Amino acid sequence: DVKVTQSSRYLVKRTGEKVFLECVQDMDHENMFWYRQDPGLGLRLIYFSYDVKMKEKGDIPEGYSVSREKKERFSLILESASTNQTSMYLCASRPRGQRNGYTFGSGTRLTVV
Amino acid sequence: EDKVVQSPLSLVVHEGDTVTLNCSYEVTNFRSLLWYKQEKKAPTFLFMLTSSGIEKKSGRLSSILDKKELFSILNITATQTGDSAVYLCAVEAGNFNKFYFGSGTKLNVKP
Repeated sequence: DVKVTQSSRYLVKRTGEKVFLECVQDMDHENMFWYRQDPGLGLRLIYFSYDVKMKEKGDIPEGYSVSREKKERFSLILESASTNQTSMYLCASRPRGQRNGYTFGSGTRLTVV
Repeated sequence: EDKVVQSPLSLVVHEGDTVTLNCSYEVTNFRSLLWYKQEKKAPTFLFMLTSSGIEKKSGRLSSILDKKELFSILNITATQTGDSAVYLCAVEAGNFNKFYFGSGTKLNVKP
């Protein structure tokens, strides 16, 4: 069964901390994505990557960075966490050139206090 | 600006009712529209629609796309409590085949 795994289901961090959210997929997908999901706002794209070491900004990249050193792993980094980054974070992957949707991870609910 | 709008934002029905969820969009270089169901975890894929007027069906769920009027509907007949979830509409568009998501419709089916 194909899988996208996010390392933490729930996370509580303090303001100003550096936070790493990890996502690993076992499907050999080229494309990986990070979204945040907030009530009333839906899913908003933070960053995506279409290959190893490649990254593109999404719609709300401010305050975030990403790393894709290996094909299977896509990390989201909050350089200095703030309370307005409290949210549900969803990772997704998709193979290149195929007409199908994402496979999502189960999400990480991050609370910044 | 690309956008996807879902309505209603929330809905409460009783078991056995039929519901219709709406998704309208304005995007550049439309490629496809997808529906997802999200319970307390990862969204799960329901349908992908690329052509107008062709109904996709899976059990009690069905969906159709109108590319002229730029909308899609998701129908659920004979609803059950297990249908309670947030239903997400996503449109694939533009370069890099990004998906743009609506805010979701929260469906609550009461026994």
